[in-house]
Amino acid sequence: AQKVTQAQTEISVVEKEDVTLDCVYETRDTTYYLFWYKQPPSGELVFLIRRNSFDEQNEISGRYSWNFQKSTSSFNFTITASQVVDSAVYFCALSGGNDKLIFGTGTRLQVFP
Amino acid sequence: DTGVSQDPRHKITKRGQNVTFRCDPISEHNRLYWYRQTLGQGPEFLTYFQNEAQLEKSRLLSDRFSAERPKGSFSTLEIQRTEQGDSAMYLCASSLGPGRAAEQFFGPGTRLTVL
Repeated sequence: AQKVTQAQTEISVVEKEDVTLDCVYETRDTTYYLFWYKQPPSGELVFLIRRNSFDEQNEISGRYSWNFQKSTSSFNFTITASQVVDSAVYFCALSGGNDKLIFGTGTRLQVFP
Repeated sequence: DTGVSQDPRHKITKRGQNVTFRCDPISEHNRLYWYRQTLGQGPEFLTYFQNEAQLEKSRLLSDRFSAERPKGSFSTLEIQRTEQGDSAMYLCASSLGPGRAAEQFFGPGTRLTVL
């Protein structure tokens, strides 16, 4: 069975703090893809990153970085120097043997000024 | 705006009524997906289309639910004899597809409230 676990339900930080959102996945597929989406208060899901199972290189995009470790089945997301605009619900998702996305339950991030 | 659009954005209905939602994908995208999101949960897959062909339906999609994409462009999701448990956000997404790597672009969703 495919599953995505985001154990952190809610995280609160003060602006400029670094924060890491955890994601653990389960799949029997050898080829799979991992995603992160952001859902701001407006409700629309915004794509952040896609990673395939053969590429374990970490990725950095501005203040965002992702750490993919197959050995621990984790795909963690770090925001450096958080800002109030980062406040949202963040979802980790898995695409395995078919075309659908399997989402975790999300982590609500609140960044206070 | 050339993103995914959904109509209506909000729908309030009484239990037992039928409702229909519409999704217009990004024009060149041949894959279209429907997901359902309840409060505090992540989106759950319902069904998806490759052009006009419906390729997979989740077990969540009971007989009261039907989805169509008649000309491979827009799609409709109909719920018959609505129940209070149907209250949720219904999300539509589209992608260039095929393939699991294809990025899915999401619409703003239709929030359904069944009284």
